[in-house]
Amino acid sequence: DGGITQSPKYLFRKEGQNVTLSCEQNLNHDAMYWYRQDPGQGLRLIYYSQIVNDFQKGDIAEGYSVSREKKESFPLTVTSAQKNPTAFYLCASSPPRAGYGYTFGSGTRLTVV
Amino acid sequence: KQEVTQIPAALSVPEGENLVLNCSFTDSAIYNLQWFRQDPGKGLTSLLLIQSSQREQTSGRLNASLDKSSGRSTLYIAASQPGDSATYLCAVFSGGSNYKLTFGKGTLLTVNP
Repeated sequence: DGGITQSPKYLFRKEGQNVTLSCEQNLNHDAMYWYRQDPGQGLRLIYYSQIVNDFQKGDIAEGYSVSREKKESFPLTVTSAQKNPTAFYLCASSPPRAGYGYTFGSGTRLTVV
Repeated sequence: KQEVTQIPAALSVPEGENLVLNCSFTDSAIYNLQWFRQDPGKGLTSLLLIQSSQREQTSGRLNASLDKSSGRSTLYIAASQPGDSATYLCAVFSGGSNYKLTFGKGTLLTVNP
């Protein structure tokens, strides 16, 4: 079945450490997105990519980095510059044209220890 | 800037009741509106996608309506069941040069047996 796979499900980060969250899709979607979810704040867009080798900052990109070397993969790195990284991270994808809706992965919960 | 508001923030109903969740958005220039369901600690599951040219969509006991000119959508759940308990999120897809989905903060629904 086609879908989006996020790994790991749970991730623990020490202070000053960079960590990378994986997102892989087999839906043949061109566009991919990373959202952060915090209690009471809803989902906020971190980065998005509409095509391979191209990506744009979302609303809260500071302290994060991404790459899009393959259509299927859109990894997110949470750097040490992100001062409050504890959150639930969701990856999504969509076809290139508007109107077909988003598909989400099951999320990664990142905790700073 | 597009803003999405969902009312109420939380709703508790007895099993079997019909209910309505509300979503409003500030910019009516949208391509589509998508309703999602999120269970605790899980990703988002798409329930219904309404194109901007449509007035409503139905799936089983769910019916979503869209009034683009007034910036409103409703999700109607018929004959609610305890398994419907979850957070329901409304999101609008706005185009232009910055394709992205803007989310409301959700309605937490509890259906009591």
